[in-house]
Amino acid sequence: DAGITQSPRHKVTETGTPVTLRCHQTENHRYMYWYRQDPGHGLRLIHYSYGVKDTDKGEVSDGYSVSRSKTEDFLLTLESATSSQTSVYFCAISELGGEETQYFGPGTRLLVL
Amino acid sequence: GENVEQHPSTLSVQEGDSAVIKCTYSDSASNYFPWYKQELGKRPQLIIDIRSNVGEKKDQRIAVTLNKTAKHFSLHITETQPEDSAVYFCAAGDTNAGKSTFGDGTTLTVKP
Repeated sequence: DAGITQSPRHKVTETGTPVTLRCHQTENHRYMYWYRQDPGHGLRLIHYSYGVKDTDKGEVSDGYSVSRSKTEDFLLTLESATSSQTSVYFCAISELGGEETQYFGPGTRLLVL
Repeated sequence: GENVEQHPSTLSVQEGDSAVIKCTYSDSASNYFPWYKQELGKRPQLIIDIRSNVGEKKDQRIAVTLNKTAKHFSLHITETQPEDSAVYFCAAGDTNAGKSTFGDGTTLTVKP
């Protein structure tokens, strides 16, 4: 597996609380992505980054924000968690973006009560 | 933006049979088409990919074909084995987009 880790791996939180998920890579890849995976919906892109401080929205960005202050770290924040954000979150990295393989992290299971 | 449709959503085959999963895409600018396999509880991992200047690519029991004119590509698994049971995702990406669009996945079950 590529050098990519996610923390925490599991989290239970309550509706209305802020949550931050961290993705860390040791591959020095330019592109980083956050996806959520729900039954019947495959992998849906939340936000992605194409460099330090350079980010863009994906197809399901409402309720989420991201930050990338260093090449190796990409943070996903749920400003005020809702039950609809209960999901498995995957981070991925890629050297060349859309024209190249993405390497996925191990995932974070988030339960919002 | 790009739209990728994947069929079927579920597929059940007997061990030793072949399995075919099909995807269509909408953006003619897409030029990279990877396939990922996700075993239960694990992360998706690349199993094969194809670029738009190639029509077919094989790797042992798996192969991918691409029809640029019709905007569709397919994954073929021959001599299926129980360990092929997983969810398979297709995706389409291009040089300028910086990202790929994924299909909704196909759950393949190989019965012993």
